[in-house]
Amino acid sequence: GQQVMQIPQYQHVQEGEDFTTYCNSSTTLSNIQWYKQRPGGHPVFLIQLVKSGEVKKQKRLTFQFGEAKKNSSLHITATQTTDVGTYFCAVEGAQKLVFGQGTRLTINP
Amino acid sequence: DVKVTQSSRYLVKRTGEKVFLECVQDMDHENMFWYRQDPGLGLRLIYFSYDVKMKEKGDIPEGYSVSREKKERFSLILESASTNQTSMYLCASKRDSIYNEQFFGPGTRLTVL
Repeated sequence: GQQVMQIPQYQHVQEGEDFTTYCNSSTTLSNIQWYKQRPGGHPVFLIQLVKSGEVKKQKRLTFQFGEAKKNSSLHITATQTTDVGTYFCAVEGAQKLVFGQGTRLTINP
Repeated sequence: DVKVTQSSRYLVKRTGEKVFLECVQDMDHENMFWYRQDPGLGLRLIYFSYDVKMKEKGDIPEGYSVSREKKERFSLILESASTNQTSMYLCASKRDSIYNEQFFGPGTRLTVL
């Protein structure tokens, strides 16, 4: 079945530093979604990427979809304590989502 | 706003008990999902449903069953709870097969003793 690898599993940064998480698939993806889960919370949809090479921005967050549609990244510029949480990518397969293992971001204020 | 609610935030049950986890969504979504979330394993799909009375197995259906008698309600059933089913259970819904965004409930943390 569809699988997606997400790295790193954990990332600890100083507040103000940048952060990036990556998702990789061995097969071409139709689209990829990103979710954020705050500590003690539930996953919340951030964005969906569909087109090859697509780049979307949400304030300090930049999402990219690879040219071959096999990988994606989420980059946060100048992290703030509100960015703490686990970031998941998710890919569609047969009417269901397959989630990456997530990258847990912690921030030293 | 879409609202997905789950019947309990925390639940403690004993081994062998039958456990019902309820999920309700208020936006007339066609598709509903049950996941479990465990440290280091991410979210794993147990069952999903794309219509009333329809159900499909996810990646880890063993030990679970589901029921969807009404469009807004999707129930997860543990016929005979075991300690390895101690986990966080998350319900989600999405509008239909075209719109991909999933909306999650707050989760139920189930402990089986």
